[in-house]
Amino acid sequence: AQKITQTQPGMFVQEKEAVTLDCTYDTSDPSYGLFWYKQPSSGEMIFLIYQGSYDQQNATEGRYSLNFQKARKSANLVISASQLGDSAMYFCALNSGAGSYQLTFGKGTKLSVIP
Amino acid sequence: GAVVSQHPSRVICKSGTSVKIECRSLDFQATTMFWYRQFPKQSLMLMATSNEGSKATYEQGVEKDKFLINHASLTLSTLTVTSAHPEDSSFYICSAILEGGQGTQYFGPGTRLLVL
Repeated sequence: AQKITQTQPGMFVQEKEAVTLDCTYDTSDPSYGLFWYKQPSSGEMIFLIYQGSYDQQNATEGRYSLNFQKARKSANLVISASQLGDSAMYFCALNSGAGSYQLTFGKGTKLSVIP
Repeated sequence: GAVVSQHPSRVICKSGTSVKIECRSLDFQATTMFWYRQFPKQSLMLMATSNEGSKATYEQGVEKDKFLINHASLTLSTLTVTSAHPEDSSFYICSAILEGGQGTQYFGPGTRLLVL
């Protein structure tokens, strides 16, 4: 069975500071992918970043980076230079199993950026 | 690229009526789409996997006769909530797979359904 755990229901960060959102996962498949999505209050789910289980380097996309620690089964999202528009729910998700595109989502972390 | 639209964005209907929600991949073809339901302050719950040209695969506990899914083309999947009741009120969101690569799911903007 696959599982995603996000232990932080809510986080606060000062504008322009960096913040780390935690995500741990559990899967028995050797090949898997980890995704982070942002969901603003409007409801749309915005794809942020992807990390493959065999990727040697941590993924980065602009101000987003993924701190991937395979042995610890963690895939934390780091947002640098936070902006007010970063206030949203953030979901970590996992897909694994050959040919499987289904995602297992965590419960999410609500990030609030303080001016 | 990888834009998914969903229509309508918001619908209010009377109990007992049926509501159709469309999910379109605008700039790519998607043989696989997913339908999710999300309750307030909760995560997404997968309802079904929609496969172009074949029957949808429903998750355990989701009534297939209640939530009809049709994926008639490579860019369109529809979800019909039949004989809607107030407990069907929710946020419904679809996604489409950009195949090849990591198989990222790209989501539509969602549909807020309110059944009176």
